[in-house]
Amino acid sequence: NAGVTQTPKFQVLKTGQSMTLQCAQDMNHEYMSWYRQDPGMGLRLIHYSVGAGITDQGEVPNGYNVSRSTTEDFPLRLLSAAPSQTSVYFCASSPQGLGRDETQYFGPGTRLLVL
Amino acid sequence: GDSVTQMEGPVTLSEEAFLTINCTYTATGYPSLFWYVQYPGEGLQLLLKATKADDKGSNKGFEATYRKETTSFHLEKGSVQVSDSAVYFCALSIRGGTALIFGKGTTLSVSS
Repeated sequence: NAGVTQTPKFQVLKTGQSMTLQCAQDMNHEYMSWYRQDPGMGLRLIHYSVGAGITDQGEVPNGYNVSRSTTEDFPLRLLSAAPSQTSVYFCASSPQGLGRDETQYFGPGTRLLVL
Repeated sequence: GDSVTQMEGPVTLSEEAFLTINCTYTATGYPSLFWYVQYPGEGLQLLLKATKADDKGSNKGFEATYRKETTSFHLEKGSVQVSDSAVYFCALSIRGGTALIFGKGTTLSVSS
């Protein structure tokens, strides 16, 4: 199992550009989520999904879109990048079901710089 | 809403010193509690967890006990090593385990 994978590892954007951060997991987890990490702020939840076709907003959703067409993939879209979106982005997944393990399994992160 | 508060860092210790990092939480329901660790230049790794009141999580010499009466989940280690230098995050599960709410993180620096 590869676990949770994220691409790209690093990206530089200009203000106003759009891009998609990719996230995939091969553990058949129903739950997936996106976080951003900023110095002194910890990790903050952007969006999450409880299964294919179902997404919801987290703490800091503005400026980001998500969709979940398959169990495996959960891409994060920046429609018009802003310098305030410079951050490290982490994707995570966790299993569902009775007696489930609520541990979140994290990807390696994508470092985004918006100029 | 749900939240996690952990002690501000950085925490600077000598090797073999005792470590405590305080963590308190506010939550509706009965969340699971976690400590994650981030070593320099790396992603997040689960350090330990507890799923119900009075549970003790432990791993690599670290321990934390889920205290419902004080809404706390303090991280402790009896004798730290230089290799423990990292950022430690306390977190709780929300919405039935779909995601986590994190504290701001505590940087630990251990010198020999």
